Parts: sequence; C-alpha cells; structure tokens
Amino acid sequence: DAMVIQNPRYQVTQFGKPVTLSCSQTLNHNVMYWYQQKSSQAPKLLFHYYDKDFNNEADTPDNFQSRRPNTSFCFLDIRSPGLGDAAMYLCATSSQASTQYFGPGTRLTVL
Amino acid sequence: GNSVTQMEGPVTLSEEAFLTINCTYTATGYPSLFWYVQYPGEGLQLLLKATKADDKGSNKGFEATYRKETTSFHLEKGSVQVSDSAVYFCALSDSSGGSYIPTFGRGTSLIVHP
Repeated sequence: DAMVIQNPRYQVTQFGKPVTLSCSQTLNHNVMYWYQQKSSQAPKLLFHYYDKDFNNEADTPDNFQSRRPNTSFCFLDIRSPGLGDAAMYLCATSSQASTQYFGPGTRLTVL
Repeated sequence: GNSVTQMEGPVTLSEEAFLTINCTYTATGYPSLFWYVQYPGEGLQLLLKATKADDKGSNKGFEATYRKETTSFHLEKGSVQVSDSAVYFCALSDSSGGSYIPTFGRGTSLIVHP
C-alpha cells in the first residue's frame, strides 16, 4: 500500500543532543510537510518542500532544519533539543492543494 | 487570510447518540474542505472532504455538507460508537491565491461512553 512512513515511532534524546527524524513516502507526492504537535493542540507547520524548494514558516526556530535528498525522503534535524521541543512530529505529503496524507508520527522525548 | 473555527471540546456522548461538530471557515477564494480524524498516538487520517459548494462528503457513517452561504462544514453522525472516540480536525485548502498550505482548526475531542 502506498503510504507515509516515519522512523522511529519513539525517540528519546538528551537535552542538547542532536536528533534526526525521518519520513519516507511511496505516493510520489511533490509536497512534503513537517508539523509539530503538542498535547491537545492542532498540528503546527514547521516547514514544507514543494519539490526541492524549501519553505520555512516565519516562527519556526532556527534549531529546526530539514533536508529532502529526493522525492521520497525528508528529514527533520533538531540541532540542540530543549525540553520545550518534546512533542509529536508529523510528516505529511500532498499533491499540491489537495488531501494531505500523514505518517503515524514520531513521539520525541527530551530528557 | 484563511481561518477555521471549530467548536470547543471535549464532546462527551453515549454510544448510539447523534453527533454534530460545528466548523465554520473564512477564505478568500474557493477552498476545499476536509475533516481529519486523529486516534490516540497516531497521525491524522482523512475522514471526508468536499471540493465545492453543496457537495456532501461521507465516510464510515460520518457526513458533512459544504455550505457556502453559511461558510460551514459541520460534521455529523447518526449513531456514534466507542471506537469513534478521537480528535477531529476541520481544515481547508485554498489554492486560488497560489498557496497550497492547509489551514487547520484547533480540533475537537470526542469521547464516547458505552
């Protein structure tokens, strides 16, 4: 089945220790998104790629970076995680302005 | 700009009760409207969508009708089950202004008791 896969599902890191979350898709969608979701809140868009074009939201901290080496893969790098970065991180894809397909998320814990 | 307003939760119902979750929107163009559902510990899944005025989206017993005159897309289900307990997000996507970034509502938690 075509889908969006996120690895790992659960990630524990230490305060200040860099961490990378990964997302892959078999849908061949040109747009990929990274969201941060905290408890009982709506997902908050961090950035997205339209093909290879990177688009950062204005209020996304510099601590968050992303890479998209090809159509299928996208990575979220958190350079120096703080306690406030503990959250669920959701990857999504779409074919332009249409339905988004979400992965299952990565739950990040910062100790 | 675009915005989506959902009724606040949690909505608590008994099994087989009727469900309505209100959603209204503002948009500069002609958006597509979506309902997504998020079960505990999972990502969001598309529940249903409608792409133009008067369209009705339906899935798994849920329905929502795109009402342009009232700028609404209320979610309804005639008889809820315990397994419907989840968070429901209303969203719009409006490409007329050149943007394809969806706008989400805050989410409404539904709790269904046996």
